[in-house]
Amino acid sequence: DADVTQTPRNRITKTGKRIMLECSQTKGHDRMYWYRQDPGLGLRLIYYSFDVKDINKGEISDGYSVSRQAQAKFSLSLESAIPNQTALYFCATSDKAGGHSGELFFGEGSRLTVL
Amino acid sequence: AQKVTQAQTEISVVEKEDVTLDCVYETRDTTYYLFWYKQPPSGELVFLIRRNSFDEQNEISGRYSWNFQKSTSSFNFTITASQVVDSAVYFCALSEETSGSRLTFGEGTQLTVNP
Repeated sequence: DADVTQTPRNRITKTGKRIMLECSQTKGHDRMYWYRQDPGLGLRLIYYSFDVKDINKGEISDGYSVSRQAQAKFSLSLESAIPNQTALYFCATSDKAGGHSGELFFGEGSRLTVL
Repeated sequence: AQKVTQAQTEISVVEKEDVTLDCVYETRDTTYYLFWYKQPPSGELVFLIRRNSFDEQNEISGRYSWNFQKSTSSFNFTITASQVVDSAVYFCALSEETSGSRLTFGEGTQLTVNP
């Protein structure tokens, strides 16, 4: 089983719908992240959390919200999806002990299409 | 602010050719880490290497080698004797000491190795 699991893996929805992408990890890491990948733009950070009580905005947080339900769970919500939120979304984790040198461990990605 | 640029959007080579993927970064920190990740067609992100800003030694791992030059703010990646299985999107990324473990990614380079 994957150490970082994302659900759903694929989702097609309509404009205006609320969508939640879920991420769970078995690595025991404190830090979790949500990135968005668009062709030609690389991966951009949406939100990150360094522990359960710590939530921070990334570079493209508008239109998104997150919830850190437990150390192992970090969910990303689109309150009212719009077509330009069509993208591949990645959850990632890292070990606090690694500090800023820490390698990120990624989930397999969630492909979201907003019609 | 930190920034990573991968100017080569797409590269196409024939099997057994050597290929270099360029990465240029910007940072004001003196302590930082540089990373390379591989994204094969299956979509997952695979960690390849991490280098810290105080270690400019080149690194070789099998057919892969990395050239880190602080003087030109570059961290280039060379694949020797390329193989079809090397076909993937490759991302360079930067983590600054002041940004914790948040990674800033380049746009990615799509490498296609033809038989």
